[in-house]
Amino acid sequence: QLQLQESGPGLVKPSETLSLTCTVSGGSINTNTYYWAWIRQPPGKGLEWIGSIYYSGTTFYNPSLKSRVTISIDTSRNQFSLNLGSVTATDTAVYFCARQVINPYLDGFDIWGQGTAVTVSS
Amino acid sequence: DIQMTQSPSSLSASVGDRVTLTCRASQAIRNSLVWYQQKPGKAPKLLVYAASRLESGVPSRFSGGGSETDYTLTIASLQPEDFATYFCQQYHSAPHTFGQGTKVEVK
Repeated sequence: QLQLQESGPGLVKPSETLSLTCTVSGGSINTNTYYWAWIRQPPGKGLEWIGSIYYSGTTFYNPSLKSRVTISIDTSRNQFSLNLGSVTATDTAVYFCARQVINPYLDGFDIWGQGTAVTVSS
Repeated sequence: DIQMTQSPSSLSASVGDRVTLTCRASQAIRNSLVWYQQKPGKAPKLLVYAASRLESGVPSRFSGGGSETDYTLTIASLQPEDFATYFCQQYHSAPHTFGQGTKVEVK
């Protein structure tokens, strides 16, 4: 069965770039059936969609973060990655990667990684 | 962006209770709504999509409803494993936005 696993530093300094990778196992990321997404959850708060990427490299970003976000995909490694630049304390959150289903009935996230906590602090 | 407002923010209930959670959108979203369940320290789990369609494997005690701007998630008979936080998400228009969640706690 498909599994997603986030990896990356748990602590990032203010003004630096947060970099995370999501490794997909049990299935190929190189498919035209799904998108691959990053979502975050600040401590004690709700969820925020960061952006999504298609196997072809086409990306969609949340306008509120677009100026600082880059999502990339490496189909040879079955991974996709998130870079978030110029971070501040407000970027402290649990970051999830997820598979995004898009069909006539659903545009949502049906398989998620466990999440990785990232703290922005000096 | 479409704002999603969930109510209540938390509720206390007992096993066997019927529980209804509400999600209101800032504009009509034409049933483009998903409900997720999240337990502490875990990833969200997709329960309901298209406002009322149950995801495969989700118990039938869960049901979704609503239209236009107002949607509900009902748990017909609360089970011990249902104590969790529930989020709604709209996909009517980009960007996807989520509600702040309703925490269902033990009474």
